[in-house]
Amino acid sequence: TQLLEQSPQFLSIQEGENLTVYCNSSSVFSSLQWYRQEPGEGPVLLVTVVTGGEVKKLKRLTFQFGDARKDSSLHITAAQPGDTGLYLCAGARVTGNQFYFGTGTSLTVIP
Amino acid sequence: GAGVSQSPSNKVTEKGKDVELRCDPISGHTALYWYRQSLGQGLEFLIYFQGNSAPDKSGLPSDRFSAERTGGSVSTLTIQRTQQEDSAVYLCASSSQPNTEAFFGQGTRLTVV
Repeated sequence: TQLLEQSPQFLSIQEGENLTVYCNSSSVFSSLQWYRQEPGEGPVLLVTVVTGGEVKKLKRLTFQFGDARKDSSLHITAAQPGDTGLYLCAGARVTGNQFYFGTGTSLTVIP
Repeated sequence: GAGVSQSPSNKVTEKGKDVELRCDPISGHTALYWYRQSLGQGLEFLIYFQGNSAPDKSGLPSDRFSAERTGGSVSTLTIQRTQQEDSAVYLCASSSQPNTEAFFGQGTRLTVV
């Protein structure tokens, strides 16, 4: 059973377009991380959100944590080919010893 | 080191052989995680170490899998009598405190032939 569901699973867009990736769960998380992974590499941490309703911006990327801390979104403005990769959300629960990873969103930005 | 280091980066082994994968976490990080990522799959939790506490082994898929962490630093994941379904990328991560943001190594790609 997957604790975190991401959508869409695959996304192919033209350079300059905007996109949003969603990470949803019925469980509450104490924090949520977003990672980007390129082929042959490990996931690279982009951001951590910990407060319900929190919004963080990283250049053209905007991350939001849901008010109830059950979901999150990643919005990319004016996507660039360098944004291509696998985007993963991961949640930590108050109790427990692991990060629960989402199913992943594979993004391809076409020049 | 500055980041999490894993070795080897690639390993090809024959079915039935044992393999050892190594992880060197970020200095000072007390929490260490092992995950497995199969092609087209998400990250599957394997095992968690925190300081001197007993590890959480709840994610290990069978008794052929074991891991240890010596001196609270380097960790080794051992797979005995490897099977083809063990082929995957094995990822190690560390964090400064439990359930805070984790930093990953580049992974070890294991291929069992």
